[in-house]
Amino acid sequence: AQRVTQPEKLLSVFKGAPVELKCNYSYSGSPELFWYVQYSRQRLQLLLRHISRESIKGFTADLNKGETSFHLKKPFAQEEDSAMYYCVLKDAGNMLTFGGGTRLMVKP
Amino acid sequence: ETGVTQSPTHLIKTRGQQVTLRCSSQSGHNTVSWYQQALGQGPQFIFQYYREEENGRGNFPPRFSGLQFPNYSSELNVNALELDDSALYLCASSLYPRVSRTDTQYFGPGTRLTVL
Repeated sequence: AQRVTQPEKLLSVFKGAPVELKCNYSYSGSPELFWYVQYSRQRLQLLLRHISRESIKGFTADLNKGETSFHLKKPFAQEEDSAMYYCVLKDAGNMLTFGGGTRLMVKP
Repeated sequence: ETGVTQSPTHLIKTRGQQVTLRCSSQSGHNTVSWYQQALGQGPQFIFQYYREEENGRGNFPPRFSGLQFPNYSSELNVNALELDDSALYLCASSLYPRVSRTDTQYFGPGTRLTVL
């Protein structure tokens, strides 16, 4: 069975500092990975997906199959980045497995 | 294009009762998935419906059941409620099979269920 692990429940940084939210996964097939974000009082929404190799709101994530990781990074954190972040794996059946989430707090 | 909607927003039930939660899919989507999110945890997959049939199920007992209707709206039913069923229940709609690798699931705001 697939598994997604986010080792940090809470990550607190100062505005302007670099951010890295860690994610490791286990899956026997070819993984499709996402980062979802939930801002305060908003619904869960897609932040980015590995296949697009995109940068959204300054965030990037690279899939490392050798280390089975998909860490989320941003060089300079902003206060509006404060939110709950979930690393998510999609399997061949279109079913999502979520990590436990990391709460990012960006202090002024 | 309308987003995913869920009703009710909040619900309080007592142990042993039954509950029905509703979800309206995003326009054009034919698949709905349901998730349970306990406090402080990530969402856990309950089941998925495609073309009105269950198309995958997570590790949840049979007292969790669902329906998908021809208009792709959906219901989640939970019988014999237990205290541990207290959680946020999320539904997500998507298009399956995918027509694009960028297709993904779009989530509703959730229904907060409290079991006393």
